Parts: sequence; structure tokens; C-alpha cells
Amino acid sequence: SQQGEEDPQALSIQEGENATMNCSYKTSINNLQWYRQNSGRGLVHLILIRSNEREKHSGRLRVTLDTSKKSSSLLITASRAADTASYFCATADVYYGNNRLAFGKGNQVVVIP
Amino acid sequence: DVKVTQSSRYLVKRTGEKVFLECVQDMDHENMFWYRQDPGLGLRLIYFSYDVKMKEKGDIPEGYSVSREKKERFSLILESASTNQTSMYLCASRQDRADSNQPQHFGDGTRLSIL
Repeated sequence: SQQGEEDPQALSIQEGENATMNCSYKTSINNLQWYRQNSGRGLVHLILIRSNEREKHSGRLRVTLDTSKKSSSLLITASRAADTASYFCATADVYYGNNRLAFGKGNQVVVIP
Repeated sequence: DVKVTQSSRYLVKRTGEKVFLECVQDMDHENMFWYRQDPGLGLRLIYFSYDVKMKEKGDIPEGYSVSREKKERFSLILESASTNQTSMYLCASRQDRADSNQPQHFGDGTRLSIL
């Protein structure tokens, strides 16, 4: 199955700054999802963008999707210490549907108060 | 809110033991999943189930089996635990197998150590 891959792998920023992460994938997708994982906990769903959408907002989150480049970005604006976590992108492949989400390896974000 | 509960946060077992990891969801979801998470490898799908008594292999099913006798409960079984199965195990559920545009909901994970 395909693999979402995040870039950069680790990010350290000051509180109040914006954080941007990118994700690339290899095949045709139904949707792309972003999840957050706090240390030692499970994943929490943040936002889902469908293949026919180009941009989506949810609170301080902004996700873009470029299917021609097979890439997505997650922007967290005005970051807070509580945003410190690992962020994963996951893709639902057209063939496998949502039953076979392919997760990236994660992107660790540290927000310094 | 959806609640996915994994029976143990931490578990220590010995090589060769039969290990059961339990997961329960409270939202009548059709789909349930078991992943393992290892540093540098991300999340890998072990098995999933789209209905009671139905199961499908994921990417790394070797050494594992699953059971889904009731809709709300999905068990992962390590038939004979080995040290390379030391990992974080995550259970997830999703409402409707026919709709791919729904997120998965995760439990807090079980950190399993095999000695």
C-alpha cells in the first residue's frame, strides 16, 4: 500500500508562530486525513480533505491538497504549547478505500512557551 | 463523542505466552482496526474487521489473529508472543464501511513488552 510521508520530520517553534508540515503520497486517493498524537496517547482525528477539495479550514488548522503533485500541507496558526504533539497524515487509497489508511511516519512538533 | 477503550495501557508478558488485547467501542461502529506503532516505522495495519465475525488481513498479520464475536468488541491475539512483538498497539473504529470519507477513532493504546 502507499505511504504518506511527512516533511519536515521535526519542528521546534515559539508559541504564537505558525507551523507548517507537508505530506506526499504516491497513488490516487479518496481523501487525506491529518491526525495528532500526544505523547503516549492514541491518535486524534483533526481534519479530512476529500480528493475534489483543494483547501479546508478548521479553527486554527488549514489543510491544502494538490492532487496533481500528490501532496498536502497542514498549517497550524498561532501555535500554543498544547499543540506540542506528533502529527500524521493518512491517505485513503482509491482501490482500498478507507479500510486501508496508509499513515506517514509522523512529524514531531514542539511549541516552546 | 466516540469512545474506544483498550483494556490495558501497559502489559508485560513472556515469550511464548498467548496474549489477548481487548478493544471496545461504544458507538455501534461497523469497522474496527488493529495497528502497531514502532519508532521510525509509523502505524502499520495488522487486521481489520468490517462486521461481526468478519476479518481481513492488513499489512503485517503474521503472528497475530483476531476475534470479533460482538460488534462492539475486537480482540487481537498473539498466539505465541515473541520479543519482536514488543510494541505500541492501537485499536481504532470507524462508523460505516461504505463511506470512505469518515475518520477513524483511536483508543489510547496498549504498550506491550515481551520479555
